[in-house]
Amino acid sequence: AQKVTQAQTEISVVEKEDVTLDCVYETRDTTYYLFWYKQPPSGELVFLIRRNSFDEQNEISGRYSWNFQKSTSSFNFTITASQVVDSAVYFCALSEAEGSSYKLIFGSGTRLLVRP
Amino acid sequence: KAGVTQTPRYLIKTRGQQVTLSCSPISGHRSVSWYQQTPGQGLQFLFEYFSETQRNKGNFPGRFSGRQFSNSRSEMNVSTLELGDSALYLCASSPTQGFTYEQYFGPGTRLTVT
Repeated sequence: AQKVTQAQTEISVVEKEDVTLDCVYETRDTTYYLFWYKQPPSGELVFLIRRNSFDEQNEISGRYSWNFQKSTSSFNFTITASQVVDSAVYFCALSEAEGSSYKLIFGSGTRLLVRP
Repeated sequence: KAGVTQTPRYLIKTRGQQVTLSCSPISGHRSVSWYQQTPGQGLQFLFEYFSETQRNKGNFPGRFSGRQFSNSRSEMNVSTLELGDSALYLCASSPTQGFTYEQYFGPGTRLTVT
C-alpha cells in the first residue's frame, strides 16, 4: 500500500542554517510521482517540485535542493541558508496508479520554524 | 492568471446542518480536487472531478459529495454535519486529470461545526 513518512514533526533552526526535511515513501508501482508542497501560515499549499520515478536527477532551485534516491525510497528536501520566510509546514506527497485511477497520499508534514 | 478561489473562507455550522463550499479553478484547468485537513488526520483526499465527472474518490462517507459544472467550477456538500467535520477544506486545480502533475491550491474554507 502507498505510504509517505515524514518522521520529523517539527524542526527549529536559526536563520542561515541549512536544514534537510526527510521523506520516505512506500509503493508497489514502478511508475509513480513525488511532490513537495509548502503550507505557510496563510494556509494555501504552494507547489515546490514534482519528480517522476524514472528521473533520479537531483534538482536545485535557488536555495532549495532535492535528493531523490530510489534505492532508499527517499525524496529529501534541503533548504540552504534558511530564512525566516521559509517557516511553514512542508508536505511530501506520492501519486501512483491504482486500477484506472490515481491515488495521492500526503505525508503528515514537517513544521519548520526558522528563528531570526 | 487568477489563482484558485474558494468561498466562503470561514463558516460556522451546527451539528446536523448541511453545508456547501465553492471552488473556482484557475482558468483553463479542468480538474478540481478537494481535501480535508485536520490536526489529527492530516491532509486527506476527498474526491476529484474532471470534465464534470467524478474520477477519483477518497475514503469518506456518502455525506460528502460534490459536483463540477461546465465552467469547471466545483462545489462540495456535506450533509448532516458532525463535530468531526470541523476542518480546513482545500480545493486544488490542475490542467490534467489524475495526480501526475502539480496541483494549485486555494486558500481553503475553515469549517467549524458546533
